[in-house]
Amino acid sequence: GAGVSQSPSNKVTEKGKDVELRCDPISGHTALYWYRQSLGQGLEFLIYFQGNSAPDKSGLPSDRFSAERTGGSVSTLTIQRTQQEDSAVYLCASQPRLAGYNEQFFGPGTRLTVL
Amino acid sequence: GENVEQHPSTLSVQEGDSAVIKCTYSDSASNYFPWYKQELGKGPQLIIDIRSNVGEKKDQRIAVTLNKTAKHFSLHITETQPEDSAVYFCAASIRSGGSNYKLTFGKGTLLTVNP
Repeated sequence: GAGVSQSPSNKVTEKGKDVELRCDPISGHTALYWYRQSLGQGLEFLIYFQGNSAPDKSGLPSDRFSAERTGGSVSTLTIQRTQQEDSAVYLCASQPRLAGYNEQFFGPGTRLTVL
Repeated sequence: GENVEQHPSTLSVQEGDSAVIKCTYSDSASNYFPWYKQELGKGPQLIIDIRSNVGEKKDQRIAVTLNKTAKHFSLHITETQPEDSAVYFCAASIRSGGSNYKLTFGKGTLLTVNP
């Protein structure tokens, strides 16, 4: 079946511009995560959505970052007034809500380059 | 919060040799430890995981061991093959509300298997 998809695959933008990154999770998965992967670094948790519960935004690095999830499915990560340090690969993952089931399924990521 | 350290950052082995990657974690409440493999241009994919109620788990050529007292866990790959070449990430998570979330990742190990 279809996996997690993300768009665009690559995004180049100028410093100060806003960008929107999209994630389409696996159908039926209730949990959705956003991570940031900087060069040579591990995956940094950004935000977590679970069903209709309030999202866990504790990983967002600044108020320039925000995310929403419409209809419990598609999610958009928005970065306002981008800075060069925002350059990274942004990964989305989804997870079914099954007791004791832990695997997160990752998309291929969006590579963001801020010039 | 949780902190996960991973070593080595790079590992080069000859085909057929074994590879071992080690991780330590800081939060004794962590109880779920997955390992992800990331190939170039792709998102991470779960290859094996272990929960804190077991000390070892095997899946064909891959095994993971967990030492809760020392707060470290390791990935063992035997009979390595060129297709095992990738970046491997360890992670730790605390079970919450019936499903684990907010994985804390190590910085990754670039494994190269030389034919």
